[in-house]
Amino acid sequence: DGGITQSPKYLFRKEGQNVTLSCEQNLNHDAMYWYRQDPGQGLRLIYYSQIVNDFQKGDIAEGYSVSREKKESFPLTVTSAQKNPTAFYLCASSIMAVRGTEAFFGQGTRLTVV
Amino acid sequence: GESVGLHLPTLSVQEGDNSIINCAYSNSASDYFIWYKQESGKGPQFIIDIRSNMDKRQGQRVTVLLNKTVKHLSLQIAATQPGDSAVYFCAENYETSGSRLTFGEGTQLTVNP
Repeated sequence: DGGITQSPKYLFRKEGQNVTLSCEQNLNHDAMYWYRQDPGQGLRLIYYSQIVNDFQKGDIAEGYSVSREKKESFPLTVTSAQKNPTAFYLCASSIMAVRGTEAFFGQGTRLTVV
Repeated sequence: GESVGLHLPTLSVQEGDNSIINCAYSNSASDYFIWYKQESGKGPQFIIDIRSNMDKRQGQRVTVLLNKTVKHLSLQIAATQPGDSAVYFCAENYETSGSRLTFGEGTQLTVNP
């Protein structure tokens, strides 16, 4: 089955630790995205990548880092510099890195700081 | 305890009624719009899209209307079912944003049996 796989589904992190969220797609999509969703709110863009080995900051990139070494993978690291990391994280991809194409989403990772 | 975060706009309908969910978009240069459905604890799912050269598009039980004059988008769901209960988001893509989508705040739809 083609799709976007995010892992793990639930993640707990101690304060001061870095943690990496996995996102893999087998749709052969060019563009990939990371969004953050807080309770009762919409999606805010953290980072996006339109091509391998290239990525751009979104609206709330501070405290996060990404890499795009392979077309199918776009991991997100939540660093200790992110002051309020507890949220629902969504990865998405789109077939082309051009305007006017829908994004397909994974099932999300819920990160909780303990 | 005290609630944290914003409260989503809500719409409550009876099963079998038609639902209309509204969205005001932000950028007059936006020319592509999508409606997504998000069930609790899951990722958003594509429902329907529309480009700015159209003012109406129909899918199965859903219709999207676009009014560019007032920057307004609506999603109509016919014969609403309990399985339609979810949060609905509109998203826009505008000229200077590349392939990025900008999401609205969402509307919680509750269908009562």
